[in-house]
Amino acid sequence: QSVLTQPPSVSAAPGQKVTISCSGSSSNIGDNYVSWYQQLPGTAPKLLIYESNKRPSGIPDRFSASKSGTSATLGITGLQTGDEADYYCGTWDVTLSTVVFGGGTKLTVL
Amino acid sequence: QVQLQQSGPGLVKPSQTLSLTCAISGDSVSRNSVAWNWIRRSPSRGFEWLGRTYYKSKWYSDYAVSLKSRISFNPDTSRNQFSLQLNSVTPEDTAVYYCARTSHYYYYYMDVWGEGTTVTVSS
Repeated sequence: QSVLTQPPSVSAAPGQKVTISCSGSSSNIGDNYVSWYQQLPGTAPKLLIYESNKRPSGIPDRFSASKSGTSATLGITGLQTGDEADYYCGTWDVTLSTVVFGGGTKLTVL
Repeated sequence: QVQLQQSGPGLVKPSQTLSLTCAISGDSVSRNSVAWNWIRRSPSRGFEWLGRTYYKSKWYSDYAVSLKSRISFNPDTSRNQFSLQLNSVTPEDTAVYYCARTSHYYYYYMDVWGEGTTVTVSS
């Protein structure tokens, strides 16, 4: 049972847009920055977003994110088959004193 | 370009100690304020942060509360690497283990990850 809640799966057609939600509480998302990771099959996670809405160098602007209250959202536009992966949100939880993650969302590009 | 290379056994017997090493290239384990993390992922628990170690005038380590009694991290400046030791393992510790960097201990996102090591706890 993950502390942060994500939908298990989302899907959309190539070229379309998709959003992935991440729901938490006042002790985690409500009080800290959110990060997002992409994990392609058989590979290590890759940082997509840090400090809730910033992209590391090399991450295309098709990936964007926002945070509002105790929820965060990752958006991906211009979907490509190469975007098929698992996506995870993460943040610090001040009550649990640990980094917490969502259970992950599997993106299928139909 | 920073790279993390993991090594260690893939099979550990119950009650024994799990030991993994993360060798760093392109950065320094003792660079001031950079944090070096261990994370694991299992089908039952998803991603679980195990803790981190960092140098800020002296060495600090933060451990996940649930593992505090069994876990330790050891930075090795001579080999530019850091290691994880998890004692008294059980099958519940079976997971893919990752090392990862955080650019500043003030933050909690991981910007560089190791490739992962699958560890099975079984007799």
